[in-house]
Amino acid sequence: DGGITQSPKYLFRKEGQNVTLSCEQNLNHDAMYWYRQDPGQGLRLIYYSQIVNDFQKGDIAEGYSVSREKKESFPLTVTSAQKNPTAFYLCASRMGGRQFFGPGTRLTVL
Amino acid sequence: DQQVKQNSPSLSVQEGRISILNCDYTNSMFDYFLWYKKYPAEGPTFLISISSIKDKNEDGRFTVFLNKSAKHLSLHIVPSQPGDSAVYFCAASVTSGTYKYIFGTGTRLKVLA
Repeated sequence: DGGITQSPKYLFRKEGQNVTLSCEQNLNHDAMYWYRQDPGQGLRLIYYSQIVNDFQKGDIAEGYSVSREKKESFPLTVTSAQKNPTAFYLCASRMGGRQFFGPGTRLTVL
Repeated sequence: DQQVKQNSPSLSVQEGRISILNCDYTNSMFDYFLWYKKYPAEGPTFLISISSIKDKNEDGRFTVFLNKSAKHLSLHIVPSQPGDSAVYFCAASVTSGTYKYIFGTGTRLKVLA
């Protein structure tokens, strides 16, 4: 059953801690993306990767980091430098013009 | 600078009637447009897309219209069903180079039974 998985569904973190959100896909897609969604706002692009071992900053990359060591995996680290990390995080992959999204991770900073 | 705008945050429609969701964009370089449906605490699901070489695309109850001169697209849902109640996002991209997507802020559709 092909798709995109994100784990965990809910994540709590203490202020000042780094946390890594997982994103895995078995769709054999080259391109992957990370977005965050805040209430009343659209999806804002954090980082994206068009191919393994390559990634680019999106519109709101400050305080985040990523790696793309494998085609299937695109983990996102929310660092302590991110000033407002509480949000809903979405991972996506792309085939052609269409993006496919994972179920999301709700991160709450306490 | 909001390149993709959905000016109606919410819309209520009676079951069986037409739902029309609107989206405006400012960047004339966009050449591919998509509509997504999203339920709370879930990822968006793809609904329908349209290339800039077309002005209409249909898929079942869903039709997307593109007016390039006005930089406007709309999603028509006919007939509307209670299960269509969700937040709808439009997105635009340039299908070359970086292949980034710009999303609107969403319109919450409520279909009343």
